[in-house]
Amino acid sequence: KQEVTQIPAALSVPEGENLVLNCSFTDSAIYNLQWFRQDPGKGLTSLLLIQSSQREQTSGRLNASLDKSSGRSTLYIAASQPGDSATYLCAGEEDSSYKLIFGSGTRLLVRP
Amino acid sequence: GAVVSQHPSWVICKSGTSVKIECRSLDFQATTMFWYRQFPKQSLMLMATSNEGSKATYEQGVEKDKFLINHASLTLSTLTVTSAHPEDSSFYICSAGGLAETQYFGPGTRLLVL
Repeated sequence: KQEVTQIPAALSVPEGENLVLNCSFTDSAIYNLQWFRQDPGKGLTSLLLIQSSQREQTSGRLNASLDKSSGRSTLYIAASQPGDSATYLCAGEEDSSYKLIFGSGTRLLVRP
Repeated sequence: GAVVSQHPSWVICKSGTSVKIECRSLDFQATTMFWYRQFPKQSLMLMATSNEGSKATYEQGVEKDKFLINHASLTLSTLTVTSAHPEDSSFYICSAGGLAETQYFGPGTRLLVL
């Protein structure tokens, strides 16, 4: 059964710092991997989707990589801003069924 | 982009009553929708997969008789929490599959059972 783990659970950084969020999964047969942002009491916003044949995706200051052989994905945030403060969730899709298994999330605080 | 709505956004009810939550895909059709539950400071846990025109598939540990799911059309799925109790208080989020193998999430419904 696929399990997704995120480290660290919480992170506090000063504005402008580059940072990396980690996500690991137990089953390398993962189909797709997505990174989401969740603001307090809100739903999810999809940030990046890495499909099974891809190794990374970039959007603005965000870059996500996927290494299926090692069971890891990272989300890199460049030049962090206070508006980036949120909980970041990674989720693996086991097959083409759209069924997502979520990690526990990393709560990010970017201090002005 | 694709939009998924949920109604209501929050609800407070008395213990023992039933609560219905709607999930709608506003500008696309979704044969499959998903229902998640999120407790405070925890991640989303998949409760069930809702398939249009057929029975929902429930995850292990989720009571199908307590959490009734109906997916009567390609744009609407409903989750009914029957005989709600305080431990059912949670944040319920639905999602719907769209193009490019991307799921679109609703804004969530916060349920508080007194």
